[in-house]
Amino acid sequence: DAGVTQSPTHLIKTRGQQVTLRCSPKSGHDTVSWYQQALGQGPQFIFQYYEEEERQRGNFPDRFSGHQFPNYSSELNVNALLLGDSALYLCASSSLVSPRSDSPLHFGNGTRLTVT
Amino acid sequence: GDSVTQMEGPVTLSEEAFLTINCTYTATGYPSLFWYVQYPGEGLQLLLKATKADDKGSNKGFEATYRKETTSFHLEKGSVQVSDSAVYFCALSDRKDSNYQLIWGAGTKLIIKP
Repeated sequence: DAGVTQSPTHLIKTRGQQVTLRCSPKSGHDTVSWYQQALGQGPQFIFQYYEEEERQRGNFPDRFSGHQFPNYSSELNVNALLLGDSALYLCASSSLVSPRSDSPLHFGNGTRLTVT
Repeated sequence: GDSVTQMEGPVTLSEEAFLTINCTYTATGYPSLFWYVQYPGEGLQLLLKATKADDKGSNKGFEATYRKETTSFHLEKGSVQVSDSAVYFCALSDRKDSNYQLIWGAGTKLIIKP
């Protein structure tokens, strides 16, 4: 049973560029959430996708956008990169159908983005 | 708003020592509480959880009890191993219809020396 997979594992970009990160959820999961984890900090919620729509959004600017595909996989796009966007980006999947107590978030290993 | 506060790290212990990592929370409703662990180079893994007051979550020798009166969810283990070295995150979820938007503590790095 494949868990959550993210690609690429590492990425280096220059300020002002755009980046796309990808995530495939755990088998049987239909919901994908994205988190930003700065070095030495806890994850910060970016947004969540379900049924190909953004359901909730954290306190992130419009430069951060996403998409969910019919197979439940998801992309995170960041435009006009800033140095402060350097972080580990984590994807987490879950199932809204399952009872809450049986459906914790399952995380991928993340994509390490470095903006220079 | 809701928040989670963890003890600052790093916490350095010798193998077989007793571990406590403190976690307290602030929430307006009745949150579920979680401990996640992040091993070097990996994503976050759920370690244990508790969904109501006085519940005790346990896994891999770790335990945490949901204390509503003290708004705490301290993580404990009786005898730590070198393999327990990781960063531990306390988190809460205060939404009854989903568990996707967790509120996280800053994490506590645990270093176990042989």
